[in-house]
Amino acid sequence: DTAVSQTPKYLVTQMGNDKSIKCEQNLGHDTMYWYKQDSKKFLKIMFSYNNKELIINETVPNRFSPKSPDKAHLNLHINSLELGDSAVYFCASSQRPGTSGSSYNEQFFGPGTRLTVL
Amino acid sequence: KQEVTQIPAALSVPEGENLVLNCSFTDSAIYNLQWFRQDPGKGLTSLLLIQSSQREQTSGRLNASLDKSSGRSTLYIAASQPGDSATYLCAQRSNDYKLSFGAGTTVTVRA
Repeated sequence: DTAVSQTPKYLVTQMGNDKSIKCEQNLGHDTMYWYKQDSKKFLKIMFSYNNKELIINETVPNRFSPKSPDKAHLNLHINSLELGDSAVYFCASSQRPGTSGSSYNEQFFGPGTRLTVL
Repeated sequence: KQEVTQIPAALSVPEGENLVLNCSFTDSAIYNLQWFRQDPGKGLTSLLLIQSSQREQTSGRLNASLDKSSGRSTLYIAASQPGDSATYLCAQRSNDYKLSFGAGTTVTVRA
């Protein structure tokens, strides 16, 4: 199946721990994103990488560090987890922004990772 | 600052009725607008994407329009079915590559 996949689907952990969420896409896209959906269901962009290069870095605590080993993977590492980090984290991918063509900028989302910090 | 607003926040209709979901945005430098569907506890499914040069897009029972001058997009779902029950999100992409999302409209179609 061609898709955006994330692991794990659920993550429950204690405050202060370090955790990682992995994302992979096999759509051949150049650009990948991380979004956070809070308890009010509001989605906000966190990071975006294009061909392993960081192109969007919103105002996110530096405890959050994205890592892109290749253009098909974008992992999110979170240090010293806090209660307020509890949310659903979505990975997405698209062709490189600015690429012409009506479908090239469409973003495709993974199923999400529900992080609960106790 | 980009702001995307969706009204109403929730909508309940009987099966068969047409649905009209509204999205308004403040950034005139819109690159495209994308409509998504989110089922409870699930990810986002892309429904339609309208480029800034387009006025509408259609897919099956879904039709989305874009009016840049008024800063509005509307998603029409014809002949609604219980399976259409979900939260519908619109997202505006501007030239800075970011998608800015609305808070969504939660739709319930009653059988």
